Amino acid sequence: KNEVEQSPQNLTAQEGEFITINCSYSVGISALHWLQQHPGGGIVSLFMLSSGKKKHGRLIATINIQEKHSSLHITASHPRDSAVYICAVKLKTSYDKVIFGPGTSLSVIP
Amino acid sequence: GAVVSQHPSWVICKSGTSVKIECRSLDFQATTMFWYRQFPKQSLMLMATSNEGSKATYEQGVEKDKFLINHASLTLSTLTVTSAHPEDSSFYICSAREGGWEPQHFGDGTRLSIL
Repeated sequence: KNEVEQSPQNLTAQEGEFITINCSYSVGISALHWLQQHPGGGIVSLFMLSSGKKKHGRLIATINIQEKHSSLHITASHPRDSAVYICAVKLKTSYDKVIFGPGTSLSVIP
Repeated sequence: GAVVSQHPSWVICKSGTSVKIECRSLDFQATTMFWYRQFPKQSLMLMATSNEGSKATYEQGVEKDKFLINHASLTLSTLTVTSAHPEDSSFYICSAREGGWEPQHFGDGTRLSIL
């Protein structure tokens, strides 16, 4: 079993739909990142959170430390949101170690 | 927001050549930089962690003589793939972090193709 898992693996949505991507982990963490990787390969850090909820524009990230689970929500999805979304956790036991999830590939169709 | 510049973005070269990839933090001092490798449709795999002024810490299975990392200043780290071979073809991404509790900021990656 991977230490960081994501679901779904692939997701196709119609423009305007509300999207949820889930991340679960089995290790103790100090923080969790949500990253966005576009087809060209560049990676953008969307959120880093250790508790509660953060919102930026149409993106919302939540984390439940007790349940070891985080969700990334996209409201009013748009084709430009099409990308791979990666959940990454920073281990509590290591200053530097980050474990990446396998990613969720999102396609938003006009 | 913080910007990390990675150069070159794409390089094609012959087998046996050494290739240098640069990673620069443009608007902050990066005490720690990370080098990742990514195979198609797979997630990032950490190769090494480098702190300014000290030797890089390589992950298990990564050849330090093959992948030379230099973090000579707080804004620049380089990865040199020595005597590259076709199996070294991959997407290499760097990231930089200002402090221990700061998020990593990623470069746009370098696509390396060895013929």
